[in-house]
Amino acid sequence: ETGVTQTPRHLVMGMTNKKSLKCEQHLGHNAMYWYKQSAKKPLELMFVYSLEERVENNSVPSRFSPECPNSSHLFLHLHTLQPEDSALYLCASSQDWGSGSPLHFGNGTRLTVT
Amino acid sequence: DQQVKQNSPSLSVQEGRISILNCDYTNSMFDYFLWYKKYPAEGPTFLISISSIKDKNEDGRFTVFLNKSAKHLSLHIVPSQPGDSAVYFCAAGEDSWGKLQFGAGTQVVVTP
Repeated sequence: ETGVTQTPRHLVMGMTNKKSLKCEQHLGHNAMYWYKQSAKKPLELMFVYSLEERVENNSVPSRFSPECPNSSHLFLHLHTLQPEDSALYLCASSQDWGSGSPLHFGNGTRLTVT
Repeated sequence: DQQVKQNSPSLSVQEGRISILNCDYTNSMFDYFLWYKKYPAEGPTFLISISSIKDKNEDGRFTVFLNKSAKHLSLHIVPSQPGDSAVYFCAAGEDSWGKLQFGAGTQVVVTP
C-alpha cells in the first residue's frame, strides 16, 4: 500500500484515442501533482493542484487536461496524443504545496502512443 | 535549462563499501534539497532531505551533505547493501515557490 494509487499501470493508445489516467491518494494530503518521466530525462512537472485548485501548469500542451474533483482524486485526460508523449506518468501528493513537503509518488502509468 | 544535474548516470559499488552520489545545482535560490530512490516498476520514494541552513543530515546508513558555496550536494550510503540497487534522484526547490526540480538520476548497482 503506497498511499498513492494509479490506474492503469500500462496503457497503449492510438493517436486518435481519448483515455484518462486516474490517481487516488489515501494520505490526507492537500496537494497533488502530475509528473512525466521520459527515458534518461529528469522528472518534469506537469500540473499541481493545491486544495483542489490548479496552481501550476508547466507549459503543458492542451492535449493533456487535468481534473481534480476533490483532494483525494486527480485525473489526467488524454486526447490526440503524439508518439513522443510516450512516457511514464507519475502522480504524487504532498501534505502541502511547497518543496518543504516531501512528495509521495504512485507507481506510475506507462503510456505508449502508437 | 536543467537547474539540477546528476553527472554520473551510473555507479557500481561492492557490498559493504561506501556509495557516494553527487548532485550539482545552478539556482542559488534553492533552499531545500531531497533525495529519492526508485526501483523498477515503482514510483520514487522519499529517502532523505536537507535544508539550506544545515550542511549535513544523517538517517541511519544515509547521509546527505550540502555545500552551498559550491552548489553541490552528495548522498553517502554506508555500508552499501544489495537492496540499495536502484535509481537515485536528487531534487531541489524554493520553499516559497513550491516547485521541485529533479536531476536525471543515477543508477546504483551494489555487487556482492
